Amino acid sequence: GAGVSQSPSNKVTEKGKDVELRCDPISGHTALYWYRQSLGQGLEFLIYFQGNSAPDKSGLPSDRFSAERTGGSVSTLTIQRTQQEDSAVYLCASSLTSALYNEQFFGPGTRLTVL
Amino acid sequence: AQTVTQSQPEMSVQEAETVTLSCTYDTSESDYYLFWYKQPPSRQMILVIRQEAYKQQNATENRFSVNFQKAAKSFSLKISDSQLGDAAMYFCAYSPMEYGNKLVFGAGTILRVKS
Repeated sequence: GAGVSQSPSNKVTEKGKDVELRCDPISGHTALYWYRQSLGQGLEFLIYFQGNSAPDKSGLPSDRFSAERTGGSVSTLTIQRTQQEDSAVYLCASSLTSALYNEQFFGPGTRLTVL
Repeated sequence: AQTVTQSQPEMSVQEAETVTLSCTYDTSESDYYLFWYKQPPSRQMILVIRQEAYKQQNATENRFSVNFQKAAKSFSLKISDSQLGDAAMYFCAYSPMEYGNKLVFGAGTILRVKS
């Protein structure tokens, strides 16, 4: 397992349902990031975790979005009461630390479709 | 707030030719990093090249090079000897020199390579 993995690859849900998206970072990476890529647009920062520090949640678009990172490894992004505008690709990235010289390695993303 | 603008939604290049992708950004910071990422249809974001703002020398990685004009806040990517495998979406990204390394992305440029 050399890279960042995400599951599921695709998720289709109905409006109003809750969804959980999972990210497994590269082993030993202390920094973990979530981004959202809406159709035809660039990536938008959502949240990041660095070690045991409190996460930076400044990019979360609403209180329906939350994320946690258990044991400094796996992270779950939860979207409650999904809306159609939540449809996007959700990308996770990890890096050795959050220092700028450390490259962020991205996972393949989860494509979320809200009907 | 920092912004990144990619004014070319799509570009085409003939195989073996050279193409330049444009990127401008807006920031009041003096120190920061700039990046070009490649996203093929697999959705996997791949770092192509990065530039530290305090370095005047333009970064180069094999066939990829940048033209960094700090005063003009311009950061273009030149791809030489284009190959079919270069076809992808290319994103320009910025990160301020502060704790966190949160990337700010442009909207992307689709690069098509013709054989």
